[in-house]
Amino acid sequence: LAKTTQPISMDSYEGQEVNITCSHNNIATNDYITWYQQFPSQGPRFIIQGYKTKVTNEVASLFIPADRKSSTLSLPRVSLSDTAVYYCLVVPNFNKFYFGSGTKLNVKP
Amino acid sequence: SAVISQKPSRDICQRGTSLTIQCQVDSQVTMMFWYRQQPGQSLTLIATANQGSEATYESGFVIDKFPISRPNLTFSTLTVSNLSPEDSSIYLCSYYRTDTDTQYFGPGTRLTVL
Repeated sequence: LAKTTQPISMDSYEGQEVNITCSHNNIATNDYITWYQQFPSQGPRFIIQGYKTKVTNEVASLFIPADRKSSTLSLPRVSLSDTAVYYCLVVPNFNKFYFGSGTKLNVKP
Repeated sequence: SAVISQKPSRDICQRGTSLTIQCQVDSQVTMMFWYRQQPGQSLTLIATANQGSEATYESGFVIDKFPISRPNLTFSTLTVSNLSPEDSSIYLCSYYRTDTDTQYFGPGTRLTVL
């Protein structure tokens, strides 16, 4: 099972782009990468998922280099409401999720 | 995505008692999961709730302490038995969607054991 490593916390200001990088050196060929957001007192919410290169949706972009040993979640122009914990997961195709420690993002005014 | 709900949203229990948490999805789903989130910590997978068979538990979790039922494709329960203060956590259920290869989480049940 691929272990993930993320920064414990990050600070940003409103309107800035935030990039959170996750390391997963022993990712397997069939694993894909998924990111979740969790607000206090709520369940995690799916943000984005990818296997390689770049994926973009209405919320974020996910950049995955060719070796797939890391991935970067990019949040454009964050607002105060983006203050949350962000989890990077490497998921085999048997859909069991093992959460790492996550990155606590604090967006300041 | 299907709506997933949990009952109760929170509870305060006495040590030695048990709490049963219900998880309801508004459409049929194949795989459901239960997680624990201790205060200030990440989520830990407890078990996979299998419809029509016993749950599959992760290392460190046993059926006697965390019995799980999955009577149909829309419902599951998790019981936390013989409660101690160390069981104070948020318990979350989730379901897996095959078309998106991802999980959707319930709002969680906050348990406090006195």
